[in-house]
This record gives sequence, C-alpha cells and structure tokens, in this order.
Amino acid sequence: EDQVTQSPEALRLQEGESSSLNCSYTVSGLRGLFWYRQDPGKGPEFLFTLYSAGEEKEKERLKATLTKKESFLHITAPKPEDSATYLCAVQAWGKLIFGQGTTLQVKP
Amino acid sequence: DTGVSQNPRHKITKRGQNVTFRCDPISEHNRLYWYRQTLGQGPEFLTYFQNEAQLEKSRLLSDRFSAERPKGSFSTLEIQRTEQGDSAMYLCASSLDFGLGGYTFGSGTRLTVV
Repeated sequence: EDQVTQSPEALRLQEGESSSLNCSYTVSGLRGLFWYRQDPGKGPEFLFTLYSAGEEKEKERLKATLTKKESFLHITAPKPEDSATYLCAVQAWGKLIFGQGTTLQVKP
Repeated sequence: DTGVSQNPRHKITKRGQNVTFRCDPISEHNRLYWYRQTLGQGPEFLTYFQNEAQLEKSRLLSDRFSAERPKGSFSTLEIQRTEQGDSAMYLCASSLDFGLGGYTFGSGTRLTVV
C-alpha cells in the first residue's frame, strides 16, 4: 500500500536555528514527490517537486532532497514567517497521497 | 487566471441537512481532485476527474457523498444527510494530465456540522 510518513509531527525552533523535516515513503513506482506549505485556514501552497533520487531543489531558506526511501526538507536560519505546516506527498496513480504534515513554529 | 476557486469558504449546517460545494479549476487543467482534511492531518484523497469522467473514488467516500463535473469545467461535491464526522476542510485541486506542471490547490471550504 502506498504510504507517506512525516516526522516530527511538530517542531519548535528559535529564529536562526537550522533543522530538517523528514518524509518517508513507500510507493509502487515513484513519479514525483511534492512538498507543500500550508498556513492555518488556507490551502496547500506548492514548494517543490522532486523526481529522482539524488535530486535537490532550493528556494530561499528551504532545500529539498530525495533518496529512494525518503525526502528531507532542510530549513536554514529560519525566520518566524517560516512558521507553517509542511506537507509531503507522493504522486501515485495520478493523484497525490499526503503525509500527516509537520507543524513548524519559529520563535523570534 | 486567478487559480483554483472554491465556494463557499465556510459553511455551517445542521446535522441531517444536505450541502453542496463548488470548485472552479484553472481553466486549462483537465484534471480535478477533491480532498478532505481534518485538524492535524494531511489532506485525504476523495475522488478525481479527468474532464467530465470520474476516474477514481476513495473507499472512504460513503454513498452520502457525490461529485460531478459537468462539461469538464467546474465541479460540485454534495454531502447528503450530513453527520458531525463530516466536519472538515474540503480542498479542491487541479492539474494537467499526470500532474504535469504540478497540482494547484484552492483555499478550501470549511464545513462545520452542528
């Protein structure tokens, strides 16, 4: 069964304290792994798509990496505005299957 | 294009009533998806369309739920005889074939059943 597991469920950081979020997946034939950001009461906002092991993508303080079994979202020197829930999803049979998300809080 | 639009943004209904939500996808996207999200959880797949054809329905989708996409444009999701457990955020997304170019989500409809 296709499955996505994210850890930790919640993460509290001080401003400037770098860390990583994990996304482990099992899927029959990965076609793409997606990272989204979601603010309270809003829909998910697209961040990255990764297609093959070894691929990396960056956007501002965020960097996503992919291996054959997991993906990491690295956050470098986070700011309070990076506080949000980060969702990981795999593309399977034409649709996205999501993990439960990691809620990040960055304190000034 | 203004992205994926969902209406209403919020809906409060009494248990047992029927509700209908609308989703307007990005105009050039031929695939449209419905998801449900409860507090602290990731979005859960419900169903998706390619043009007007409903290609897949989740086993979680009870008979009280029905979705349509007439003419392959906007879509509606109807919930009959609502229950308190239906309270959730209902998200709509759209994409090109096979998710090429990514999946774009709307802001969702928050349903509260009292």
